[in-house]
Amino acid sequence: QSALTQEASVSGTVGQKVTLSCSGNSSNIGFYTVGWYQQISHGAPKNVMFGESPPSGISDRISDRFSGSKSGTTASLTISGLQPEDEATYYCSTWDNILYVVIFGGGTKLTVL
Amino acid sequence: EVQVVESGGGLVKPGGSLTLSCEVSEFSVSDAWVSWVRQAPGKGLEWVGRIGRKSEGGTTDYAAPVEGRFTISRDDSKNTVYLQMNSLKSEDTALYFCATNAMPPYLFDYWGQGTLVTVSS
Repeated sequence: QSALTQEASVSGTVGQKVTLSCSGNSSNIGFYTVGWYQQISHGAPKNVMFGESPPSGISDRISDRFSGSKSGTTASLTISGLQPEDEATYYCSTWDNILYVVIFGGGTKLTVL
Repeated sequence: EVQVVESGGGLVKPGGSLTLSCEVSEFSVSDAWVSWVRQAPGKGLEWVGRIGRKSEGGTTDYAAPVEGRFTISRDDSKNTVYLQMNSLKSEDTALYFCATNAMPPYLFDYWGQGTLVTVSS
């Protein structure tokens, strides 16, 4: 069981907006920035969002269709104008100051119909 | 662009040892935090551990399942980070990724393609 909770699967049609969620507690998401990572077919993960901003220095690789937010102990990644190339598994991650480790969510498999 | 390349994976018997390498281009690993993350077959991502910047003492942190068995080190002359794995178990079978950490050093910046470690008799 992962320390962060994500939906196992989410689907959407081309052009639709979808929101993926990542739930934790006050020792992790409630206090630290959440990173979001896209993995296609067990290849190298790619960072797509740090908190509410795309990673600096490589933002030109990240579509402006991606946006991040956080409310309390839940973080969200929203993808607008869904495209076929967005189909992937998305992982959230952050630090936990009680476990003193980096923790991941179980991943959300996004299917583009 | 920054390139991260892992190597050293392979088949090893339970109880055996293996050392993985992570070579980084375009910046000095001594100035960076670098992590190892693994992914068991069909499973999600799991953080293994990290090594801190040389200027900050180069401290290391590990996940509980590998503490005491795995060691992360760095060779600045080769711009390479290593993951030495001892007393390997079948549950250590996974694709091992190396990733540079952004700031704060629990976010991941650049990732390699991974190297596969299989622990089996």
